[in-house]
Amino acid sequence: KQEVTQIPAALSVPEGENLVLNCSFTDSAIYNLQWFRQDPGKGLTSLLLIQSSQREQTSGRLNASLDKSSGRSTLYIAASQPGDSATYLCAVRLPSYGNNRLAFGKGNQVVVIP
Amino acid sequence: NAGVTQTPKFQVLKTGQSMTLQCAQDMNHEYMSWYRQDPGMGLRLIHYSVGAGITDQGEVPNGYNVSRSTTEDFPLRLLSAAPSQTSVYFCATNPGLGVGELFFGEGSRLTVL
Repeated sequence: KQEVTQIPAALSVPEGENLVLNCSFTDSAIYNLQWFRQDPGKGLTSLLLIQSSQREQTSGRLNASLDKSSGRSTLYIAASQPGDSATYLCAVRLPSYGNNRLAFGKGNQVVVIP
Repeated sequence: NAGVTQTPKFQVLKTGQSMTLQCAQDMNHEYMSWYRQDPGMGLRLIHYSVGAGITDQGEVPNGYNVSRSTTEDFPLRLLSAAPSQTSVYFCATNPGLGVGELFFGEGSRLTVL
């Protein structure tokens, strides 16, 4: 069974520092990996999607890397801002045909201190 | 372009009552899913659909029914609500198997007394 782990569960950083969030998964046979942001009381918003054949994806201040062989993905947020405060979740998509299953981590709750 | 729309946003039920959570999408996505999110448990898949007329069970299907008569709509029915079904429910869609991002609705917060 695919297990997805995000450590630490919560972290605080001063504004301007770079954020580094880690996601580990136990089975390297994945279709893709997606990073989401969730604000309190809201749904999940997709940040970046990395296909299994890719090593990284970038969008603005966000960069996500994928190392399937070691079962890890890292989300970098450059020059953090208070508006980056949220919970960040990663999810890996499993490759079974006709199966829309994703395995989610429990998230990193981030607070950026002004 | 509304994306994924869930109704209602909040609902309180008594044990044994039934209700339907609605999910509608305007992105013409084939795949639709229902998840529940509970503290300490993360997101768990309840049911999913790979197209109109086709549904299947996820990790935690007991107590829930789904149907998919159109591409746009994927309602989730609670047959006889139990306190263990108190949760936040999310509908999600994506365009195809193994490709494309997953798009979520804003969620429906359900409390069963």
